Amino acid sequence: AQSVAQPEDQVNVAEGNPLTVKCTYSVSGNPYLFWYVQYPNRGLQFLLKYITGDNLVKGSYGFEAEFNKSQTSFHLKKPSALVSDSALYFCAAQTDSWGKLQFGAGTQVVVTP
Amino acid sequence: DSGVTQTPKHLITATGQRVTLRCSPRSGDLSVYWYQQSLDQGLQFLIQYYNGEERAKGNILERFSAQQFPDLHSELNLSSLELGDSALYFCASSAISSPSEQFFGPGTRLTVL
Repeated sequence: AQSVAQPEDQVNVAEGNPLTVKCTYSVSGNPYLFWYVQYPNRGLQFLLKYITGDNLVKGSYGFEAEFNKSQTSFHLKKPSALVSDSALYFCAAQTDSWGKLQFGAGTQVVVTP
Repeated sequence: DSGVTQTPKHLITATGQRVTLRCSPRSGDLSVYWYQQSLDQGLQFLIQYYNGEERAKGNILERFSAQQFPDLHSELNLSSLELGDSALYFCASSAISSPSEQFFGPGTRLTVL
């Protein structure tokens, strides 16, 4: 079965410090991987995607993600976190050619001033 | 603003009732996805339509059904509602060129009393 795991329910980080949100996947074939962010009372917003090519993917709002095939991981990173980055982050994998997404459980990021 | 609209924003109803949630995709998007977000189940894919045809089914209960109309808007029908159906229901749309880069609506919060 294809699955996406986010091992941390919550990540706490001080403003200005590096932020990492972890994601591991188990999908057949070449994975298409994504990160989405959900702000309170809002729908999900697309952050970035990995399809193929460079293992370091850059996305919106200064976020990037590193694809590691050997570790089946796709961790989200930001060099310097902002209080406004506090939100719920979802890792997802595409599981069919029509775009069906399998989401992880989500990780709540709390950035303190 | 993602360009995807959902109505209503909130819905409060009683067990055993039937409700209809409506979604209008971004202009030009032919694919519509429905997701359910609840505290215990996380974010789950329900069903996908492409240009009026059902393309993929996820963890959608038999009491639930959906359709996509010729003008591309979609409706999710939930019947014989149970307390456990209380959740946020999201609609998303995507272009066929980037099926996994989905644009989410603000969601409909359903409360079943």
